Amino acid sequence: GNSVTQMEGPVTLSEEAFLTINCTYTATGYPSLFWYVQYPGEGLQLLLKATKADDKGSNKGFEATYRKETTSFHLEKGSVQVSDSAVYFCALSRQAGTALIFGKGTTLSVSS
Amino acid sequence: DTEVTQTPKHLVMGMTNKKSLKCEQHMGHRAMYWYKQKAKKPPELMFVYSYEKLSINESVPSRFSPECPNSSLLNLHLHALQPEDSALYLCASSPTSATTYEQYFGPGTRLTVT
Repeated sequence: GNSVTQMEGPVTLSEEAFLTINCTYTATGYPSLFWYVQYPGEGLQLLLKATKADDKGSNKGFEATYRKETTSFHLEKGSVQVSDSAVYFCALSRQAGTALIFGKGTTLSVSS
Repeated sequence: DTEVTQTPKHLVMGMTNKKSLKCEQHMGHRAMYWYKQKAKKPPELMFVYSYEKLSINESVPSRFSPECPNSSLLNLHLHALQPEDSALYLCASSPTSATTYEQYFGPGTRLTVT
């Protein structure tokens, strides 16, 4: 079946540090891949997406590349800010109108 | 505009109450979803409506009753809930495109069952 595995946190960084959150997936065919972010007390926001192999999604300084050979979609940011503190979910979908398959989520805490 | 709105933001209800959660989107999306999220867990799918018809019910107890009055609105009717139903209820919507599968979430309703 389809599944997503992401590193579990918490991840604790100082401001301006480099961030990597690992995500790997198992799926048949060619799923679309996503990173969602959830700030405390809020819903999920779509951070970035990629729909085919070698696509790079980017937004707000975050990047992730769809690697089919390693079935990975790692999230990176060159310099984190305190305001990036949140829970990050890696997710996949194989078809519109069906469930997003989420990883367990990674809590990021950034201190100044 | 990629906004999904949900009301109320917070809801406290007793086990004998009847209440409804509401969700609205004006992005022209024809698929709408209800998810349930417990603390420190990812969201779990409850229901999917596609073109205003219920297409997926993930074996949700009948005390949860979804309704899709039109393409912009989605309701979740609640009756005789249990304390373990306390959670964040998230509404989402998505295009039904064959190439775009992302879902857009609302801010959620924080439900407490006493």
